[in-house]
Amino acid sequence: EVQLVESGGDLVQPGGSLRLSCAASGFTFSDYWMTWVRQAPGKGLEWVANIKQDGSEKYYVDSVRGRFTISRDNAKNSLYLQMNSLRAEDTAVYYCTRGDSSGCPQYWGQGTPVTVSS
Amino acid sequence: DIQMTQSPSTLSASVGDRVTITCRASQSLNSWLAWYQQKPGKAPKLLIYKASSLVSGVPSRFSGSGSGTEFTLTISCLQPDDFATYYCQQYNSYSSYTFGQGTKLEIK
Repeated sequence: EVQLVESGGDLVQPGGSLRLSCAASGFTFSDYWMTWVRQAPGKGLEWVANIKQDGSEKYYVDSVRGRFTISRDNAKNSLYLQMNSLRAEDTAVYYCTRGDSSGCPQYWGQGTPVTVSS
Repeated sequence: DIQMTQSPSTLSASVGDRVTITCRASQSLNSWLAWYQQKPGKAPKLLIYKASSLVSGVPSRFSGSGSGTEFTLTISCLQPDDFATYYCQQYNSYSSYTFGQGTKLEIK
């Protein structure tokens, strides 16, 4: 059974940093693109970042490029999102997702909440 | 980047009704379009991928159609469990994904 378990969400002050983690199990982690998606309170879904199987390609939504870094450790079956220079508008639940063979986010974790506030 | 326009934003319907939600893309997606269902406090659930392929275990009353820039999700014979928010999402390129704004399906 595919499982994705996010952790690391917290309350952080504007300008601060946070690192989210996603522990994957139930599949060969190194075979799949992985994606972070977020959802601000009461709002819709927003794609945040993608990372290729070997980490050689990374893509970001414009609003986080230069502040967020997606990474992965295939030996640890883990996905990460390093978030720097956090802003109030980054407040959201962050979901870790696994793509199918075409990249469609097929499996989702339960999400981890991030609140940016003073 | 590809923009997705989803409509309507809210839809009121009754159990047993047939409903349709539409997504329009700003450029051709071929068929790289997915539909998700989300209930309050829960992660989204993939229903349809590649525009019209039903995920295993999803009831057959859900169907997707379309190609190019216009896509639809149809739910025939609405059930009480179907009242939720639905999102389309394009995944035409790994360099950028986009979600539609969402459609909240409410009980009339």
